[in-house]
Amino acid sequence: NAGVTQTPKFQVLKTGQSMTLQCAQDMNHEYMSWYRQDPGMGLRLIHYSVGAGITDQGEVPNGYNVSRSTTEDFPLRLLSAAPSQTSVYFCASSRGTDRSSYEQYFGPGTRLTVT
Amino acid sequence: AQSVTQLDSHVSVSEGTPVLLRCNYSSSYSPSLFWYVQHPNKGLQLLLKYTSAATLVKGINGFEAEFKKSETSFHLTKPSAHMSDAAEYFCVYSPGGYNKLIFGAGTRLAVHP
Repeated sequence: NAGVTQTPKFQVLKTGQSMTLQCAQDMNHEYMSWYRQDPGMGLRLIHYSVGAGITDQGEVPNGYNVSRSTTEDFPLRLLSAAPSQTSVYFCASSRGTDRSSYEQYFGPGTRLTVT
Repeated sequence: AQSVTQLDSHVSVSEGTPVLLRCNYSSSYSPSLFWYVQHPNKGLQLLLKYTSAATLVKGINGFEAEFKKSETSFHLTKPSAHMSDAAEYFCVYSPGGYNKLIFGAGTRLAVHP
């Protein structure tokens, strides 16, 4: 199993550009999520999905869109990049909503810089 | 609001001495609690988790944590630090529901020879 994979690893964007961060998992996990990590703030939830076709907003959703057309993939779209979106982005997945399934598996991250 | 507080942003220990990383959470009837570790330029890896079973939880690499409901704490300990333990550690709290997770701000552990 590859686990959770993310591409690209690094990206530099200019203000106003759009792009999609890719996330895929091969563990047949129902639950997937996107976080951003900023210094001194831990990880903050952007969007999450409890299954194909179902998505919902997390703590900091503004400026981001997601979709979940398959169980495996959960891309994150930046509609019009802003310097405030400079961050490290992590995708995570877990088996489901069961208490015993709460372990999250994290991808290696995408480091995004917006100039 | 539901929250988790890591009481130290930086902890520095000598190799071979005990490690204590402190975490407090806002009260919940039946929380789940986790510790994750992040080595430089890497993703997060689960160290251990508490989900209403035994209150003393053993994890990987010799780490353990004790759930204390009366103190709303979940401190992470290790009897003897190793150089490879140097990393950032996150206490994570789930009050329940659809995998909602609340991350602490992190504690950076430095281990000196």
